[in-house]
Amino acid sequence: DIQMTQSPSTLSASVGDRVTITCRASQSISSWLAWYQQKPGKAPKLLIYKASSLESGVPSRFSGSGSGTEFTLTISSLQPDDFATYYCQQYNSYWAFGQGTKVEIK
Amino acid sequence: QVQLVQSGAEVKKPGASVKVSCKASGYTFTSYDINWVRQATGQGLEWMGWMNPNSGNTGYAQKFQGRVTMTRNTSISTAYMELSSLRSEDTAVYYCARGFSIAADWGQGTLVTVSS
Repeated sequence: DIQMTQSPSTLSASVGDRVTITCRASQSISSWLAWYQQKPGKAPKLLIYKASSLESGVPSRFSGSGSGTEFTLTISSLQPDDFATYYCQQYNSYWAFGQGTKVEIK
Repeated sequence: QVQLVQSGAEVKKPGASVKVSCKASGYTFTSYDINWVRQATGQGLEWMGWMNPNSGNTGYAQKFQGRVTMTRNTSISTAYMELSSLRSEDTAVYYCARGFSIAADWGQGTLVTVSS
């Protein structure tokens, strides 16, 4: 099974900050990686797919990069609505999620 | 618009089974896989398995092999996930999600509580 590891687990940041979250796969997954945002009590929301493709309707301050085993999600200028938990998901072989990164208010 | 509407919260005793439903609307049910993902309180997302509603083919995460069964009723565009031999660690919110690779559409979640 493919294991996904995110870092950091928690991130404290302020509005306007540039934020980067890293996701590593235990083996190459090419570009078969998605990023989701989840807020308390809600289902996850798709942000990025195929490592760097922005889902329709998602603000352009979100971007993704990487391939193989190392990936990043970047929020260029953190907004109040962005405080949430973020998950990476590989879909190269079935599905597997990272453990999540909580973005908190500093 | 695409909607996935799940059944209501359940309380079960250890050793029992639970069956959660996911009713699809707004698209052709047999054209997209349904995946099931669960989330224990305060924990991350855990993939359980997938089902192709057209063929009925399934694939389960190794952790749930032998305990989970995913089925469907195409006449009412509904997918089901049944988990047996429940234990306290199965207490979680269970989500259905549409898609083979990525999931842009999710159900609202069903809380399953396992308690004696």
